[in-house]
Amino acid sequence: DTAVSQTPKYLVTQMGNDKSIKCEQNLGHDTMYWYKQDSKKFLKIMFSYNNKELIINETVPNRFSPKSPDKAHLNLHINSLELGDSAVYFCASSPRLAVYTDTQYFGPGTRLTVL
Amino acid sequence: QQPVQSPQAVILREGEDAVINCSSSKALYSVHWYRQKHGEAPVFLMILLKGGEQKGHEKISASFNEKKQQSSLYLTASQLSYSGTYFCGTEIRQGAQKLVFGQGTRLTINP
Repeated sequence: DTAVSQTPKYLVTQMGNDKSIKCEQNLGHDTMYWYKQDSKKFLKIMFSYNNKELIINETVPNRFSPKSPDKAHLNLHINSLELGDSAVYFCASSPRLAVYTDTQYFGPGTRLTVL
Repeated sequence: QQPVQSPQAVILREGEDAVINCSSSKALYSVHWYRQKHGEAPVFLMILLKGGEQKGHEKISASFNEKKQQSSLYLTASQLSYSGTYFCGTEIRQGAQKLVFGQGTRLTINP
């Protein structure tokens, strides 16, 4: 059983297009995250949600809009894609909004390539 | 804010030991260690919650020196399966809590 799943796994698109990435977790966790990992492997948080409520918005351009229809799902929509958006995007979840003690479980990642 | 890991890369032969360090200029509340194999998701290894704490799982262990604001990950008698990039994550408590990851240490184990 997949704990945190993401679709699609690969996404190749042209500059200026709009695309979405979907994430689902079946762990019953309250908190979900989006991370961006660039070509240098730097893993940086973008957003976090707790029970559908936005907690962290880490100075990400307005072109990125997360949506959490329920606490098991966190989607990421990206408008007007730019070359610099090319990266691997990871969804993650944790039991609670308690970074101090809680493990984060990562999804398999979505490799986005903008041409 | 981002913790600094050293070394950036290590190449070992199977059976050798490695130490990966993680240091922060900010106060450390907890340190999280993850391993990421090529093309895969980061996978949790362990959390250290307080100064002086040491944890271990099989031949991978870690320590947390709160006063020095640093943590070290020890890999003993390395196995081929240990290859990957190791990340430390440190907890930031400015506003909402979040994990900030170091730049990663790439570990290659050769037979």
